[in-house]
Amino acid sequence: NAGVMQNPRHLVRRRGQEARLRCSPMKGHSHVYWYRQLPEEGLKFMVYLQKENIIDESGMPKERFSAEFPKEGPSILRIQQVVRGDSAAYFCASSPGALSGRANEQFFGPGTRLTVL
Amino acid sequence: GEDVEQSLFLSVREGDSSVINCTYTDSSSTYLYWYKQEPGAGLQLLTYIFSNMDMKQDQRLTVLLNKKDKHLSLRIADTQTGDSAIYFCAEPDNFNKFYFGSGTKLNVKP
Repeated sequence: NAGVMQNPRHLVRRRGQEARLRCSPMKGHSHVYWYRQLPEEGLKFMVYLQKENIIDESGMPKERFSAEFPKEGPSILRIQQVVRGDSAAYFCASSPGALSGRANEQFFGPGTRLTVL
Repeated sequence: GEDVEQSLFLSVREGDSSVINCTYTDSSSTYLYWYKQEPGAGLQLLTYIFSNMDMKQDQRLTVLLNKKDKHLSLRIADTQTGDSAIYFCAEPDNFNKFYFGSGTKLNVKP
């Protein structure tokens, strides 16, 4: 059973470009979470999605950031017109959902390290 | 939102025990978690404790939970150089959002 997969692992963008980060949850998991880790800091929640639904986006910046988790395919975190302050590691986590024994457990991907030049 | 705090650094000698501490604010969490992050890598779930337990032991790892003081600790016995990493405690809220501490960087000296 493959773990949570993220790609690309490293992404370099110039200011003003768009960044697309992909996350494939573990098989059988229908809940996806995105977190951002700034250098020397802990992870901060951004958004929680289930298939075709955004459940909680309270941690997302109001502008330039969007996320989706379509019926087919990976979850996408999209950052438009990137700025230097967007440079961070972006982690995706998945969980099986409320019917599992340990509903809260989240399994993390390896992260995408975004560098904005 | 919840506030989770940890000390930033810990340095120990190989073979000693390490104790990493964490305080949290939300007393309704069902589980509390410890994750390990090695340089350039993602987070690896180390262990977790159910909120109605005081202690959980898992090989070299011991988790202690003091609900009254909202204090969580992770003890690593016989610390090895391979244990050098950043350790995060995490607390989920009722909607499964995880709140992480800033991480404790453990340095194990040979």
